[in-house]
Amino acid sequence: EAQVTQNPRYLITVTGKKLTVTCSQNMNHEYMSWYRQDPGLGLRQIYYSMNVEVTDKGDVPEGYKVSRKEKRNFPLILESPSPNQTSLYFCASSLRGLGNSPLHFGNGTRLTVT
Amino acid sequence: SQQGEEDPQALSIQEGENATMNCSYKTSINNLQWYRQNSGRGLVHLILIRSNEREKHSGRLRVTLDTSKKSSSLLITASRAADTASYFCATDATGQGAQKLVFGQGTRLTINP
Repeated sequence: EAQVTQNPRYLITVTGKKLTVTCSQNMNHEYMSWYRQDPGLGLRQIYYSMNVEVTDKGDVPEGYKVSRKEKRNFPLILESPSPNQTSLYFCASSLRGLGNSPLHFGNGTRLTVT
Repeated sequence: SQQGEEDPQALSIQEGENATMNCSYKTSINNLQWYRQNSGRGLVHLILIRSNEREKHSGRLRVTLDTSKKSSSLLITASRAADTASYFCATDATGQGAQKLVFGQGTRLTINP
């Protein structure tokens, strides 16, 4: 089944403890992206990647890192999480850039930083 | 900054009625897309309309695009309880400095049985 898989689904952590949210897609998509969703702020893009070893900042990249060593994986790394990073995170992918390709979303990771 | 803005923010109708949601945006676009999100879940793509198209249909969905007014509408006909969800428009800002879809705040649609 074609899908975008994020793990974990829920994560509670403490301030400053490094964490990684994994994202994997099995559709051979070139484009991958991370969004965060917050009440009243909607979905905001954190980082995106056009292909392997190509990443770029979105609207809210501060406090996050990403890597794209393989086409299928696009992990989101929080080196030193803070409470303002408590949010619902989504990974998404599309076939070839955004041109006319829709985004396929994962089911989300709900992160709480205390 | 948010590109797309949906209107209304919330809509509650009876099953079987039609639901119309509107989206306005600010800059030129390559395409506009509509997504559905069930509570706490990932977004699901519904329909994509290109900037040179004016109307598009998919099953019970009808999307219109007016680039002169920078607006789009999503019509769901003969609504069902399963249509209860949040609906987002997203504009393709590619070519304006970044590869990204910019999402609106969404319309929360409730279908009452």
